[in-house]
Order: sequence, then structure tokens, then C-alpha cells
Amino acid sequence: DGGITQSPKYLFRKEGQNVTLSCEQNLNHDAMYWYRQDPGQGLRLIYYSQIVNDFQKGDIAEGYSVSREKKESFPLTVTSAQKNPTAFYLCASSIQRDTQYFGPGTRLTVL
Amino acid sequence: GQSLEQPSEVTAVEGAIVQINCTYQTSGFYGLSWYQQHDGGAPTFLSYNALDGLEETGRFSSFLSRSDSYGYLLLQELQMKDSASYFCAVRDNYGQNFVFGPGTRLSVLP
Repeated sequence: DGGITQSPKYLFRKEGQNVTLSCEQNLNHDAMYWYRQDPGQGLRLIYYSQIVNDFQKGDIAEGYSVSREKKESFPLTVTSAQKNPTAFYLCASSIQRDTQYFGPGTRLTVL
Repeated sequence: GQSLEQPSEVTAVEGAIVQINCTYQTSGFYGLSWYQQHDGGAPTFLSYNALDGLEETGRFSSFLSRSDSYGYLLLQELQMKDSASYFCAVRDNYGQNFVFGPGTRLSVLP
């Protein structure tokens, strides 16, 4: 089946730790995106990548980092510099510029 | 930059029709999309309008007026399973990424 997978589904982080969220897609999409969603809020763009080995900052990139070494993969690292990382993180991909396909999300909690 | 406005909540009864509005301010416009998100789930694509007019997909329709910077999502024959949050989104930055509205929480009552 084609789709986007994210892992883990739930993640707990201690203060001062870096954690990496996985996002993989087998849809052969060029563009991939990371969003953050806080309870009752909309989606805010963290980073996006239109092509392998290239990515751009979104609206709230501070405290986050990404890589795009393969077309299928776009991992997000939440660094210790992100002071309030507890949120729902969504990865998406697109091939047409009118449609995004989302993964199931990772819920990150800081202990 | 881009900004979008939506009502925060809408309530309706089963079988009714509901309209969720979205107004936007953009420096460039590449189309208006709608997404549905159930609690705890991921957003799923519903519809897209690039040109003025109405697009119909089953019980859901979406409308766009570019001159008014306005669109809406129309849900007919409401069902309990339609209770969810609905987001409008526009493309930004020469079409390279998307900006989402704050979302409208729809509650369908029996």
C-alpha cells in the first residue's frame, strides 16, 4: 500500500534531550512537509522540502532541524533549543500543488 | 504573508446542511483547499478550488470567489461522523508551501 508512515506514534522526551521523528513515504512525491499542531489549534509549518538535498524553513523552524537525503525520507529532529516541544507533529507529502497527504502523526510529550 | 479566518465552532443536527466560511488575505493566490481532521487523527484532503465557482464531491461542495477572497465548504445531509475540525488552506511562497486556517470545529447533534 502506498502512503506516509510516521514513527513513533507517541514519544516522550526529557528536558535537554534531542529526539528525532521519522517520516517515510512511498508515494514517489517530491515535496514533503513538517507541521506542528497544538491542542485546538491549526497547523503551523516547521520545515518543507521540494526536492532531495534541499529544504526550507517554515514559520516556526527555531529549535528544529531536518534532513532530506532520500526522496522517501524526511526526518525531523526536535532539539533541546525548542523550549516548548509538547505537541502533535504531522508530516505530509504532495505531488500536486493542491493536495497534501498526511501521515498519522507523532504525539510528543516533554517529561 | 498569508492569513486565513474561519469561525471557531459550528453546531448542526443530523440531516441538516452547514456552511463553513473561509476568508483569506494573500500576496499571491494559487488555490483554496479544504481538509477534515477527526480528533486525534491526521487531516485528510476534501476538495480544492483554483477557479471561481462550486466544486461538488458527493455530500461535500466547496465554493470560491477570488474577487471576494472568500470560500466556503458546504456539507449536506450531515451525519454524526462529520463531527470533526475543518481547515481551509492556501498555497504560499510562489506555490511552494501551504498556509492553514485556524480550523472550524463542527459538532453534529442527533
